[in-house]
Parts: sequence; C-alpha cells; structure tokens
Amino acid sequence: SQTIHQWPATLVQPVGSPLSLECTVEGTSNPNLYWYRQAAGRGLQLLFYSVGIGQISSEVPQNLSASRPQDRQFILSSKKLLLSDSGFYLCAWSILGTRGAMSSPLHFGNGTRLTVT
Amino acid sequence: AQKITQTQPGMFVQEKEAVTLDCTYDTSDQSYGLFWYKQPSSGEMIFLIYQGSYDEQNATEGRYSLNFQKARKSANLVISASQLGDSAMYFCAMSAGGADGLTFGKGTHLIIQP
Repeated sequence: SQTIHQWPATLVQPVGSPLSLECTVEGTSNPNLYWYRQAAGRGLQLLFYSVGIGQISSEVPQNLSASRPQDRQFILSSKKLLLSDSGFYLCAWSILGTRGAMSSPLHFGNGTRLTVT
Repeated sequence: AQKITQTQPGMFVQEKEAVTLDCTYDTSDQSYGLFWYKQPSSGEMIFLIYQGSYDEQNATEGRYSLNFQKARKSANLVISASQLGDSAMYFCAMSAGGADGLTFGKGTHLIIQP
C-alpha cells in the first residue's frame, strides 16, 4: 500500500533563516505531488505541484520554492523565512483515477506546523 | 476558475443525530469531481468520499453520503448517526481534471456533543 512521509512535524524558525521540508511517497510510481499551506482556521492553498522529476509548477508568487529531485521526493524550501510563512504545510500525492485526474483524490501527509518568530 | 463555498463556519450537533454539511461550487467545466475531507485536531487530512459530475447516483461510503444536486451546484455531505469522533473540520473540494490538484473550501468546524 502507498504511504507518505512528511517531516518534521513541527518547526520553529527565526525570521531570515532557511527552510527545508521534505516529503517522500512509498508504494507508487510517478505520482503527482503537491505542497499546500493552511493558515490558522483557514482552507488549503495550493503552493506547488509536480507531475514528474524536475517539473515544478508554482501557483502563488511567494518566498518559497519547490524541487523534485527524485520520483517520489518533494522538497519545499526557502532561503529566508518571513513571518507570513508561518502555517501548516501539507504534502500530498495522487495518481490518475479511472476517469482521469478529476476522479483522483489527494492523499496527504501528516503536515508540518511551521512557526516563524 | 473554480470556487468552493462552505457557508457554515461551525456546527454543534447532538450525538447520534444526522448532520448535513453544505457545499456549493462554481465552475464552467462540464466534467469535474467533488471530494470531502475530514481534518481532526491532529491536522491530518482524511479523504472521505468522491462524486463525479456525471455520476447519476449519489455517492455513499459507510455513514457518509453525498447529496449531489447538479443543477443547484451543491454537494452536501451527510453523516448519519453522528459520533463523538466525528468532531473535526470538514472540507469540500473539487477538481476539473487538471494535474493542479484540488480547490478547497474554507471548511466547517463540526462539534458533536454528547
């Protein structure tokens, strides 16, 4: 069965420090991968998605970047964190369903709670 | 562009009662999928149920069912015989078939009272 690992679970970082969040998927090949951010008490905002190694699409201009160095690895980074980067970051994967992408649920990791101080 | 609207920020329901969580959507696509997720206080997002826009019957998964009214563009989640463990945030989401994931609503915070 497929599993997704996301770490760390919590992180407290000072403003201006770098960031690296990692996500790996097991049990599937060539998944679509996603990074979402959830502000406190809010819905989920798509940050990046990837359909293959080295292919990254950005949805929101921001202080963050993403990379996919391997098929099942997705990394979220920042060179200098801002206070506004605080939030709950969720990695997710999907594969094409029987009726294409519109029938494919996202499967989420447990998330990383980032506090920038 | 797609938009999901969940008009109930919070709901209090007595244990064992049925619950209906509202979701309306807006899209110009003819084919799309609708999803519901549960987010407990631990933060994980749990996939509950899926409905395709061309599905003639409402989706059901155990105690969860989706009341799909295409003409009204609504996809309400119904939880039968609610339990204390159902207390969580619930998110409605949709996909139009692209690889760019799901569009989520702002969620409904459901609290089940004993």
